[in-house]
Amino acid sequence: AQKVTQAQTEISVVEKEDVTLDCVYETRDTTYYLFWYKQPPSGELVFLIRRNSFDEQNEISGRYSWNFQKSTSSFNFTITASQVVDSAVYFCALSLEGETSGSRLTFGEGTQLTVNP
Amino acid sequence: DVKVTQSSRYLVKRTGEKVFLECVQDMDHENMFWYRQDPGLGLRLIYFSYDVKMKEKGDIPEGYSVSREKKERFSLILESASTNQTSMYLCASSPWGTVTSGRYEQYFGPGTRLTVT
Repeated sequence: AQKVTQAQTEISVVEKEDVTLDCVYETRDTTYYLFWYKQPPSGELVFLIRRNSFDEQNEISGRYSWNFQKSTSSFNFTITASQVVDSAVYFCALSLEGETSGSRLTFGEGTQLTVNP
Repeated sequence: DVKVTQSSRYLVKRTGEKVFLECVQDMDHENMFWYRQDPGLGLRLIYFSYDVKMKEKGDIPEGYSVSREKKERFSLILESASTNQTSMYLCASSPWGTVTSGRYEQYFGPGTRLTVT
């Protein structure tokens, strides 16, 4: 069975600090997808990024960057120059390719990020 | 934009009541999902459906059932609500996809916070 672990329950930073959210996953499958979602106080999860198991390239999108390392089964998320609007719960998730579309997600516990002004 | 709507943001029910949570998506997605979110546990899959009248159990189906009579609507039913079903319930939808097609993201509704007293 697959598992996703986000060991950081809560992180608090001051605005403009850089912050890294950790994600470690477990699976025996060789084909899988990793995701990050953001859940602001409004409650609706917002998709941030998807990465497949064959693509270990890091990705940068504005202030966001993701570091995927298969050797350590990690998919960490860094926010550069954090802002108050980044305050949210962030979830890492894993999906396996299966017979029925394969889009079933296994989520980590979530990390509550608070950015203080 | 994809829109997933849930019938209520907040719901209070009594122990033993039959509870219906409704979810509607407007993007003709094949897959629909019900999760519950609890602090420290992340999101856990209750049931999902990949077609009308089709359903599959997720990780925690006990005490729940589902109904999908129309493609756009997926209902979660608590046959006899109990206090341990007090939680945030999130509905999601996604198109049918595979790793190679890239059509994989799940789109979430705003959630229903259910309290069972």
